[in-house]
Amino acid sequence: DAGVIQSPRHEVTEMGQEVTLRCKPISGHNSLFWYRQTMMRGLELLIYFNNNVPIDDSGMPEDRFSAKMPNASFSTLKIQPSEPRDSAVYFCASSFDAGRGLDQPQHFGDGTRLSIL
Amino acid sequence: AQSVAQPEDQVNVAEGNPLTVKCTYSVSGNPYLFWYVQYPNRGLQFLLKYITGDNLVKGSYGFEAEFNKSQTSFHLKKPSALVSDSALYFCAVRNTGGFKTIFGAGTRLFVKA
Repeated sequence: DAGVIQSPRHEVTEMGQEVTLRCKPISGHNSLFWYRQTMMRGLELLIYFNNNVPIDDSGMPEDRFSAKMPNASFSTLKIQPSEPRDSAVYFCASSFDAGRGLDQPQHFGDGTRLSIL
Repeated sequence: AQSVAQPEDQVNVAEGNPLTVKCTYSVSGNPYLFWYVQYPNRGLQFLLKYITGDNLVKGSYGFEAEFNKSQTSFHLKKPSALVSDSALYFCAVRNTGGFKTIFGAGTRLFVKA
């Protein structure tokens, strides 16, 4: 079974440009998470979707960040306009939430390494 | 509030020796506890979890972890380390009924041949 697929794997762009990161979760999973990883701040949860609905976006740094999940098999994280401090590795993860016990592990994609010049 | 502490930034061990990577947590209610491993340029991979029951849980690649409720710890262990175990290890906690998983800062494990 295919894992979580993220694209692109690497993105280098100039400050002020729009950046769109993409994620395809594991088929059958109903929870999706976007994380950002940096040396300084470690792994930070940005937003959590359940059944395609955003449940908690309190981790989104500011209004320049937005995320969508139009269907169960696709999600995007957009940064507009991008800034150098947005440079990080962005991970998408998915899991199956049976509703009663949230004890299922998350499955991570291999991330998008974003560099804003 | 939930929190996870991994007190060691780095653990060094010789191949063939036992290894321990430490984790302590704070959560209201009963915890769900996880260990993940991250190899260079890869996402986190699930190793094992504690939900309830036996305090010693076994996971992938020969790893195991011991849940200690009184010490609020969940240390990762392996009886005999391999060079290929060298990676970044994350402890994570989630309280029952919650969705948010809190990850520790990570511990880098170096296994020397």
